[in-house]
Amino acid sequence: QSALTQPPSASGSPGQSVTISCTGTSSDVGRYNYVSWYQQHPGKAPKLMIYEVSKRPSGVPDRFSGSKSGNTASLTVSGLQAEDEADYYCSSYAGSNNVFGTGTKVTVL
Amino acid sequence: QVHLVQSGAEVKKPGASVKVSCKASGYTFTGYFIHWVRQAPGQGLEWMGWINPNNGATKYVEKFQGRVTMTRDTSISTAYMEVNNLGSDDTAFYYCARAYLPYGVNSDYWGQGTLVTVSS
Repeated sequence: QSALTQPPSASGSPGQSVTISCTGTSSDVGRYNYVSWYQQHPGKAPKLMIYEVSKRPSGVPDRFSGSKSGNTASLTVSGLQAEDEADYYCSSYAGSNNVFGTGTKVTVL
Repeated sequence: QVHLVQSGAEVKKPGASVKVSCKASGYTFTGYFIHWVRQAPGQGLEWMGWINPNNGATKYVEKFQGRVTMTRDTSISTAYMEVNNLGSDDTAFYYCARAYLPYGVNSDYWGQGTLVTVSS
């Protein structure tokens, strides 16, 4: 099972929006609505930001939103803040296995 | 309050085995799957598999079949992951994470991570 494809980096100024893509196949992202997104700060464990494509866990700001079209899922961070600077990973169910994305480093300029 | 507390860092020689523990508290241990995820230094996340603490059922990524064993002890709400025949590419942080389902890694609580270093 190959890793899902994410851009290595993304950036935006405070207050702007940034969207991260997560491209899979018809066997994972395209088939199942079990796509989640994680934020990871250096030296910390990942934090769940979005699950089942677009649902937000309690406590996650509504600045974070998720969507999916075909084999590509997306995470949008609106109103960028300094604390949003982190690595972001997508994950998808792939029919008996689970797979993570390659990761995207988000920089707040 | 939910907590997953993992065992401490380990240094192992190539060919050795390591067993990492993950003690759960603050919720019904048998009500959630435990996923194991690893991350080599400076690299991305890699899903390794899951265990269902309710019945002990497991699912491993094919690359780890035969080399990784996930178990649990419900009497002390603890999950374990053992990796055999360690190589230098097994040097990584190993995380446990709970999830209500095995479909997708929808894990709302994670352990703090256990660094396993494989070095001669």
